[in-house]
Amino acid sequence: EDQVTQSPEALRLQEGESSSLNCSYTVSGLRGLFWYRQDPGKGPEFLFTLYSAGEEKEKERLKATLTKKESFLHITAPKPEDSATYLCAVQARGSARQLTFGSGTQLTVLP
Amino acid sequence: DAMVIQNPRYQVTQFGKPVTLSCSQTLNHNVMYWYQQKSSQAPKLLFHYYDKDFNNEADTPDNFQSRRPNTSFCFLDIRSPGLGDTAMYLCATSRVRSGDEKLFFGSGTQLSVL
Repeated sequence: EDQVTQSPEALRLQEGESSSLNCSYTVSGLRGLFWYRQDPGKGPEFLFTLYSAGEEKEKERLKATLTKKESFLHITAPKPEDSATYLCAVQARGSARQLTFGSGTQLTVLP
Repeated sequence: DAMVIQNPRYQVTQFGKPVTLSCSQTLNHNVMYWYQQKSSQAPKLLFHYYDKDFNNEADTPDNFQSRRPNTSFCFLDIRSPGLGDTAMYLCATSRVRSGDEKLFFGSGTQLSVL
């Protein structure tokens, strides 16, 4: 069974204080690992897809990296508007295999 | 802008009273999904449609049904809601079901069962 564990559950940072969120996964052959951002009371919004170990993707203050067992979402010099829950999801190889989500990291960036 | 729209945003119903949630999309995507997300938990897939082909997850309760009358609309019917069905219900779409397609989510319907 595919499993995704995210840590920490919650993280409070001061504006400008860089940090990383972790996503550990177990999957029978990774097809893709996804990062989504979810604001309170809204649906998740796509950020990145990573396909193979060693791959990195960046968007503004966010950088996602992937190894064979985990992914990190690095946040550099965060701003209050980066406050949200960040969800990680994996998809296993095989037809019609759907995403398995983690329960997310709730990030709060204080001004 | 093309998007996924869910109605209503908030729905309150009584224990055992049937409720229907709706989702529409202007993306012309082939696949539509329904997820259940309880407070501080991971979204959990209930079922999805690939065109008219309905795919139910093995652990989705029989109480939950879905209809997709056309490409643009999809409905979630909860026949006899229980207190444990209080959750955010998220509709999502993807162009295909290949696995590496990102999902586009609606803003969700927050359902409260009293």
